[in-house]
Amino acid sequence: DTGVSQNPRHKITKRGQNVTFRCDPISEHNRLYWYRQTLGQGPEFLTYFQNEAQLEKSRLLSDRFSAERPKGSFSTLEIQRTEQGDSAMYLCASSSLDRLRTTQYFGPGTRLLVL
Amino acid sequence: TQLLEQSPQFLSIQEGENLTVYCNSSSVFSSLQWYRQEPGEGPVLLVTVVTGGEVKKLKRLTFQFGDARKDSSLHITAAQPGDTGLYLCETGANNLFFGTGTRLTVIP
Repeated sequence: DTGVSQNPRHKITKRGQNVTFRCDPISEHNRLYWYRQTLGQGPEFLTYFQNEAQLEKSRLLSDRFSAERPKGSFSTLEIQRTEQGDSAMYLCASSSLDRLRTTQYFGPGTRLLVL
Repeated sequence: TQLLEQSPQFLSIQEGENLTVYCNSSSVFSSLQWYRQEPGEGPVLLVTVVTGGEVKKLKRLTFQFGDARKDSSLHITAAQPGDTGLYLCETGANNLFFGTGTRLTVIP
């Protein structure tokens, strides 16, 4: 297994357009997380899934954002009617419970630029 | 209010120098983790500290968890250009809280 993968790696779009990102977690990891990272900041939590169930959503996840994990494997994050403020790196991570705590493994991210 | 404050925000040093970066909070944590993130990549876990006063070493990197479990430091000995990156501290369970990071540049 090569780790968490994300596609596309880069996306440039015009304001008002819809975009969709995909995350493929490490196989057999039952938890999947989405984060957003803006320049000069650490990642900020958006949402997470356990299998196909979306268990928690941050207040950062406005109505224009929707995330799915239909079969409990890959996940998609869609942003509708993009705004310039949506420009950021979108990171995905996956994990399985270990003895001490949940260790999350991050993908390389999708960098979004909204013009 | 930022849960985790990291300092300095930026650090540029010459190869071979030593450095320390800090992660501070007013809250007590059950554990704290350090990551390094290179440009265009996701964060990579370096270490987890769980016990107050704990010291962990990873080659030239030394991590310390404060006695009160409210703060942590990362010391790098004889920095190399490959150490360049964004160093993040983090705590949390399902939803992780990250600090703002220290961006380190090691000049050859």
